[in-house]
Amino acid sequence: QQPVQSPQAVILREGEDAVINCSSSKALYSVHWYRQKHGEAPVFLMILLKGGEQKGHEKISASFNEKKQQSSLYLTASQLSYSGTYFCGTVNAGGTSYGKLTFGQGTILTVHP
Amino acid sequence: ETGVTQSPTHLIKTRGQQVTLRCSSQSGHNTVSWYQQALGQGPQFIFQYYREEENGRGNFPPRFSGLQFPNYSSELNVNALELDDSALYLCASSLAYSGNTIYFGEGSWLTVV
Repeated sequence: QQPVQSPQAVILREGEDAVINCSSSKALYSVHWYRQKHGEAPVFLMILLKGGEQKGHEKISASFNEKKQQSSLYLTASQLSYSGTYFCGTVNAGGTSYGKLTFGQGTILTVHP
Repeated sequence: ETGVTQSPTHLIKTRGQQVTLRCSSQSGHNTVSWYQQALGQGPQFIFQYYREEENGRGNFPPRFSGLQFPNYSSELNVNALELDDSALYLCASSLAYSGNTIYFGEGSWLTVV
């Protein structure tokens, strides 16, 4: 069963903030966030491991609540280059398929000048 | 630039034909996974190879098969192509450890007519 992302779409003006959520019904080992632009491959943003850690990189950060099996991606002071579809991919706890990501349906982010 | 290379970039096949897609993983990565991404959807896990053996498979029929070679490069073969097989096929490489980053190649666009 795939994780559920919300919202499905968000429209921002440059400089505004956004939060994208990812929720799973299964126990997770890790959550991976990717951004995909139209016609291109997904680009890795960050990985969060169980333990509830929060990671950040420039103006994009993320958190992982292991108890709730939820992750959130935080985009602050958005730039035009942030536009694209954001996917969370999850790896289930206890599995042996290390490369098996189950992706959410994606969140379309559009940033306007 | 992820170091994961795929070929061909684009191809058109006729229904019923067979296709082989190729992937060179990032240097040092021993795990290769293949994903199918239909238009407007998130990538779907096809299967994973670790040390030349299939190690995990998604909900895809047996006409989807693969190989991994001693240098960790990989092939995806699809027999008896159907119109619904039209999609972006993504190769991803990683180390065999759940906490590691999974990097995607640029993908192969397959159109079945």
